[in-house]
Amino acid sequence: GENVEQHPSTLSVQEGDSAVIKCTYSDSASNYFPWYKQELGKGPQLIIDIRSNVGEKKDQRIAVTLNKTAKHFSLHITETQPEDSAVYFCAASRGSNYQLIWGAGTKLIIKP
Amino acid sequence: KAGVTQTPRYLIKTRGQQVTLSCSPISGHRSVSWYQQTPGQGLQFLFEYFSETQRNKGNFPGRFSGRQFSNSRSEMNVSTLELGDSALYLCASSSGTGGFYEQYFGPGTRLTVT
Repeated sequence: GENVEQHPSTLSVQEGDSAVIKCTYSDSASNYFPWYKQELGKGPQLIIDIRSNVGEKKDQRIAVTLNKTAKHFSLHITETQPEDSAVYFCAASRGSNYQLIWGAGTKLIIKP
Repeated sequence: KAGVTQTPRYLIKTRGQQVTLSCSPISGHRSVSWYQQTPGQGLQFLFEYFSETQRNKGNFPGRFSGRQFSNSRSEMNVSTLELGDSALYLCASSSGTGGFYEQYFGPGTRLTVT
């Protein structure tokens, strides 16, 4: 069945450095790729998403890149700050009427 | 707008009992999805309801069931609880069905089975 692999499971970076989280999907029909951030004690929240007709999307310090040929997409966070510490989930979907397939999550730790 | 609310927030049950969890979506949202979150398994999709109809179902045993009411509020039931059912149960609402729509998550119900 459809699968989304996410790496690494834990990422520790120095405050101010960049962080990159990578996901690989198996279903070539997937065309929507959101990223969610889950802070301690809260439910996940959408932070950025990309559709398959776009290769890259940026929103201030975060960006997502998509390589459809290789079937992988990545989340990039620049100039990391303490409030970026959280668990990040990637997901993929074929679209309407199809559920999201989730990655296992990456715990991002920002060291002061 | 008020966010997604889940009740209760914490629950302790004994193996073999049953439990019902409740979710109130954001006003106007007709889709409610349920997830089980455990430390080792991430987010596992249970089911999605849209306009009172189950639209998608994950790979969980029949002990897990749900329903949605005409006001879009949803309940999830787990019968014959097992120790492995201990988890955070998250509900998410969205304005449409399927993976294209942003999901708004509630804070979750922490279920502990002893």
